[in-house]
Amino acid sequence: QVQLVESGGGVVQPGRSLRLSCAASGFTFSNYDMHWVRQPPGKGLEWVAAIWSDGSKEFYADSVKGRFTISRDDYKNTLYLQMKSLRVEDTAVYYCARLHPNWDAYDIWGQGTRITVSS
Amino acid sequence: QSVLTQPPSVSGAPGQRVTISCTGSSSNIGSSYGVHWYQQLPGTAPKLLIYGNDNRPSGVPDRFSGSKSGTSASLAITGLQAGDEADYYCHSYDSDLLARVFGGGTKLTVL
Repeated sequence: QVQLVESGGGVVQPGRSLRLSCAASGFTFSNYDMHWVRQPPGKGLEWVAAIWSDGSKEFYADSVKGRFTISRDDYKNTLYLQMKSLRVEDTAVYYCARLHPNWDAYDIWGQGTRITVSS
Repeated sequence: QSVLTQPPSVSGAPGQRVTISCTGSSSNIGSSYGVHWYQQLPGTAPKLLIYGNDNRPSGVPDRFSGSKSGTSASLAITGLQAGDEADYYCHSYDSDLLARVFGGGTKLTVL
């Protein structure tokens, strides 16, 4: 079935780096724009980053610009989020999400992976 | 402070109808960009409920409906059920911020 599975979360100290992965299955991954959305503990959803289906363009929220890098490997059907210079305020559950090309909405979400930035 | 404004909470008795508002501006809801709604049950990932203002993906009951007028959008839920208790988020695109934006979320309590 159509599925997104995130991995790579954990506890990390401020200033360190971490890479998240999102494995896609059940659909033609290379046909879809993919996004990362995060949710701090007890708070709402925040868009983080996006990458076009052909990988030619990337977009970032101001809060992560210059620190996070989104990328994709269509051979491995995997989306990545490389996070550097992590801050306490980056603590959140990170979801990868598929953007439906006609609806412009997130029709498939992963289960999320939790990142805790703490000393 | 979210770009899209939702009430923090709404409540209703089983069988009743509730609405959740989402207020934006001319650079997001008030433009040509669609408004989408997601339901997040406790401890789970969000699920798409409404896309493009008023369209339901297959499998979403017709008890859920969306509308948009001017710079605001609404989600209506009729025939409230205990299983509808969840957080609900609106979502659109903002042409000034060049970013996708969410509402702060609304917690629905079924009394």
